[in-house]
Amino acid sequence: GAGVSQSPSNKVTEKGKDVELRCDPISGHTALYWYRQRLGQGLEFLIYFQGNSAPDKSGLPSDRFSAERTGESVSTLTIQRTQQEDSAVYLCASSLVRTGNYGYTFGSGTRLTVV
Amino acid sequence: AQTVTQSQPEMSVQEAETVTLSCTYDTSESNYYLFWYKQPPSRQMILVIRQEAYKQQNATENRFSVNFQKAAKSFSLKISDSQLGDTAMYFCALNTNAGKSTFGDGTTLTVKP
Repeated sequence: GAGVSQSPSNKVTEKGKDVELRCDPISGHTALYWYRQRLGQGLEFLIYFQGNSAPDKSGLPSDRFSAERTGESVSTLTIQRTQQEDSAVYLCASSLVRTGNYGYTFGSGTRLTVV
Repeated sequence: AQTVTQSQPEMSVQEAETVTLSCTYDTSESNYYLFWYKQPPSRQMILVIRQEAYKQQNATENRFSVNFQKAAKSFSLKISDSQLGDTAMYFCALNTNAGKSTFGDGTTLTVKP
């Protein structure tokens, strides 16, 4: 696609429910990143994919968070048993170069609200 | 571990004037890349400018330029002839070939008419 597409753009869920967030990167971009941005704050790294392997998942905050990627295509971030502290904007980005040295192209994010 | 610090949470500037946003960083790597990203209220993060650490020449993109001081580990962004559309949150970021980038906490810039 022309850009990085994320869905849904907004999600309201009840505490304790599971949610799935989707990211469709730019075609041909081998690297894919998930970040979390709490209101008015910076970006917190969650996980990085190179192809469909995840060489760095050090930022996942707990075992309630998981992510997978199909080849060099769509990625899904799953949050199980959501908590109010999970409320944030979840940003996905992709990069043509494995190392991300030319910068990222970001999606518009998914705003998750846990009530 | 890498760190990126933006010490100015908020700034404002009059339209058509010049403003400088500050960023300092720390890394033990000798080869790295620095970026400034813009996040307008629409939430879409956009890459503004990129600097390669091994290049002494400061990067420039139209009205945006950087002052890269490698020894001081400083990477400031200068916006000339500020426009209302420059109103956004600006993030400084560092990438050290490890794949992921480390971001600062951002500076909210308001351009006043």
